[in-house]
Amino acid sequence: GDQVEQSPSALSLHEGTDSALRCNFTTTMRSVQWFRQNSRGSLISLFYLASGTKENGRLKSAFDSKERRYSTLHIRDAQLEDSGTYFCAAEAYNNRIFFGDGTQLVVKP
Amino acid sequence: EAAVTQSPRNKVTVTGGNVTLSCRQTNSHNYMYWYRQDTGHGLRLIHYSYGAGNLQIGDVPDGYKATRTTQEDFFLLLELASPSQTSLYFCASSDRGDNERLFFGHGTKLSVL
Repeated sequence: GDQVEQSPSALSLHEGTDSALRCNFTTTMRSVQWFRQNSRGSLISLFYLASGTKENGRLKSAFDSKERRYSTLHIRDAQLEDSGTYFCAAEAYNNRIFFGDGTQLVVKP
Repeated sequence: EAAVTQSPRNKVTVTGGNVTLSCRQTNSHNYMYWYRQDTGHGLRLIHYSYGAGNLQIGDVPDGYKATRTTQEDFFLLLELASPSQTSLYFCASSDRGDNERLFFGHGTKLSVL
């Protein structure tokens, strides 16, 4: 989207490796949410952050608390089931929510 | 966990057809949203609502109407469907309090022939 630049657009990893996805925002954002879309099309919420970092198992997300212009999602020790399309969604201070165009992640054996 | 239920899961119609997509959320959220997802794009907002009887225009509203009949129910209407409206449609809800997390339904795949 115009307000959110997500990178990379596609990523291929081998099992056991680490990766980082990033979303840059054209303006300061109030909060960010990360989703994974599975092969059936369902959107699974991973993290919601208004500031700082959150961690859940092999996933960790950070939201730049100072300028609020970017967020990252780190995947440690990638597994086959991590494959999918990852989206970030950022909420602006005018309450509008903007989605990135997604990162297609493929984890190979 | 918030429950957002969309119906139908799949729908096929013809050009000019009349289609209604339904969404119900059972967690008393005030905001509800309709998005479409197309290849090469993230989710794009069609319409949203912050309460029963309220409707707000999103980023891609052309060709769509919506109606929020109750706090739980939000409908998306395509009165003259066109092939360009073939897409995956998602409904979402959120509680605009301290936590604005979006909760999504499973999606409706619409094909307009």
